[in-house]
Amino acid sequence: DQQVKQNSPSLSVQEGRISILNCDYTNSMFDYFLWYKKYPAEGPTFLISISSIKDKNEDGRFTVFLNKSAKHLSLHIVPSQPGDSAVYFCAANTQGGSEKLVFGKGMKLTVNP
Amino acid sequence: GAVVSQHPSWVICKSGTSVKIECRSLDFQATTMFWYRQFPKQSLMLMATSNEGSKATYEQGVEKDKFLINHASLTLSTLTVTSAHPEDSSFYICSARDRLAVYNEQFFGPGTRLTVL
Repeated sequence: DQQVKQNSPSLSVQEGRISILNCDYTNSMFDYFLWYKKYPAEGPTFLISISSIKDKNEDGRFTVFLNKSAKHLSLHIVPSQPGDSAVYFCAANTQGGSEKLVFGKGMKLTVNP
Repeated sequence: GAVVSQHPSWVICKSGTSVKIECRSLDFQATTMFWYRQFPKQSLMLMATSNEGSKATYEQGVEKDKFLINHASLTLSTLTVTSAHPEDSSFYICSARDRLAVYNEQFFGPGTRLTVL
């Protein structure tokens, strides 16, 4: 049973446009969500996170939106840059519970110059 | 801040030998570290949770006698792949959680590519 789902395996956007990466979860106990970026043969890099007490968190070009009723979150990258091309993982956790993160399968973003 | 290192970055070994991978948190203390494995074009698979000063907690299906984990200090965890076989060839990644952090961000190391011949 996959608790964190990234249903689209890939996304291709033009440089300067917006990239929207989606993530759905099934466990209503999750209350903390993270996005990681990963280049091939490297470890994931933490990008941005959001607690369930918020519905939006912004950091520079990256904004994460959380819709708790829909159990859905999205990562917006504006403007997209070729260096953003990577695999993006959505992860979820329950604060006060296990420290383990539950990861989605990842989504490959390609930003074309 | 929040830098995690891994050593070695890649290793090639003969079947039957043991390989030790180190994971260090460089600028923070981590009571908890995690070991993941990633197969090509697949997601991260959590292998075990490494707890400083106590035994590791292994995920279902992961052989604890094959993947030995030691977390002897607040900045170092090691994963030893014992009697490695070609099917153990993979990309191993560790992560660490700052013990002072309020939230459960994990910071990842750069990974170790293991090839067993």
